[in-house]
Amino acid sequence: EVQLVESGGDLVQPGGSLRLSCAASGFIFSDFAMTWVRQAPGKGLEWVAAIDKRADVTYYADSVKGRFAISRDNSKDTLILQMNSLRSGDSALYYCVKLTGRMSWYFDYWGQGALVTVSP
Amino acid sequence: SYELTQPPSVSVSPGQTARITCSGDALPKRYVYWYQQKSGQAPVLVIHEDTKRPSGIPERFSGSNSGTMATLIINGAQVEDEADYYCYSPDNTGVHSDWVFGGGTKLTVL
Repeated sequence: EVQLVESGGDLVQPGGSLRLSCAASGFIFSDFAMTWVRQAPGKGLEWVAAIDKRADVTYYADSVKGRFAISRDNSKDTLILQMNSLRSGDSALYYCVKLTGRMSWYFDYWGQGALVTVSP
Repeated sequence: SYELTQPPSVSVSPGQTARITCSGDALPKRYVYWYQQKSGQAPVLVIHEDTKRPSGIPERFSGSNSGTMATLIINGAQVEDEADYYCYSPDNTGVHSDWVFGGGTKLTVL
């Protein structure tokens, strides 16, 4: 059974930093690209960042480019999102999501999310 | 930037057929994926590659994609199908340049 467990969510002040982790199990982590998707309270889904299976290539939404960094440790089956220069608009539930597909990547398994609140 | 458009809400009575649409200019050339998100829960994939149901998804869920519009169809909608539904249609060139969800449709079954 695929399991994705996020941790690291917290209340942080504007301009602060936070590091989210996602522990993966139930599949061969190093065989799949991974991604983070966020959802602000009462809003829709917004893709944040993605990383290919070997960590060779990363992708970022324009709204977080230059502030967030996605990485992975395939030896520990762990996905990381380092978030710097946080803004109130970054407040959301952050989902760790497994990607699948070849030419088209899509989201097939989702974690339960880590809550990030950016507030003075 | 690329956009996918969904109606904000759809309402049906139990047992009726619910249809949720997703429109986008690139849909004739791309697959569409549908996600169900019940209140307080993480999204779940209910349709992939336009028409395919993942294991465990009830047969009443189906999908179609024609022209610039894709449709999620729930035949005989149940109260437990009440949820937000999101469409997603990635590029299929291997470039991975579009990561856009539709705005979501709230399905009410009552």
